[in-house]
Amino acid sequence: EAGVTQSPTHLIKTRGQQATLRCSPISGHTSVYWYQQALGLGLQFLLWYDEGEERNRGNFPPRFSGRQFPNYSSELNVNALELEDSALYLCASSFGTDYDQPQHFGDGTRLSIL
Amino acid sequence: KNEVEQSPQNLTAQEGEFITINCSYSVGISALHWLQQHPGGGIVSLFMLSSGKKKHGRLIATINIQEKHSSLHITASHPRDSAVYICAAWRLYQFYFGTGTSLTVIP
Repeated sequence: EAGVTQSPTHLIKTRGQQATLRCSPISGHTSVYWYQQALGLGLQFLLWYDEGEERNRGNFPPRFSGRQFPNYSSELNVNALELEDSALYLCASSFGTDYDQPQHFGDGTRLSIL
Repeated sequence: KNEVEQSPQNLTAQEGEFITINCSYSVGISALHWLQQHPGGGIVSLFMLSSGKKKHGRLIATINIQEKHSSLHITASHPRDSAVYICAAWRLYQFYFGTGTSLTVIP
């Protein structure tokens, strides 16, 4: 069984540009979660998609957005990039929306803003 | 103040030692997860707890809902256990993460 895959592995952008990060969940998983892990700040919840709908979002500005496609893959878009957006962005997937379902994480996309 | 607190932040142990990592949370939660993150970023979900105790190999996780506290224990620690361990509380349809405990096990 293929795990959660994220692309690209690394992304280098400059301030003001836009970044698009992609995530393919494990086959059969309908929920996709996005997290940000900035250096020294720990993991923070960004967005949760299930069955194509945004279910919840964390305390991030609207320039962080995303979507989930009919095949359950997901995209995270970050507009008007700022230096503090430099971080590891992790995607996770799970089966359904129950809190006791394990989340399976991808290896992340490391976004660097110059 | 972070809703989820972990201690210690850093831990160095000799191979074979018994290790305990603690997690306290200040609000009601539905479940608590323990995650392991190796250098390079990959995260593995170790346990999900809503009550009691779970065991997997040398790892044991416990939770006391009334005291809002969970512990992760590693018996007979090994250098391959070196990683960052993160507790994550599931509440109101999102995770609240602890800041992580960096564990180094020395041979």
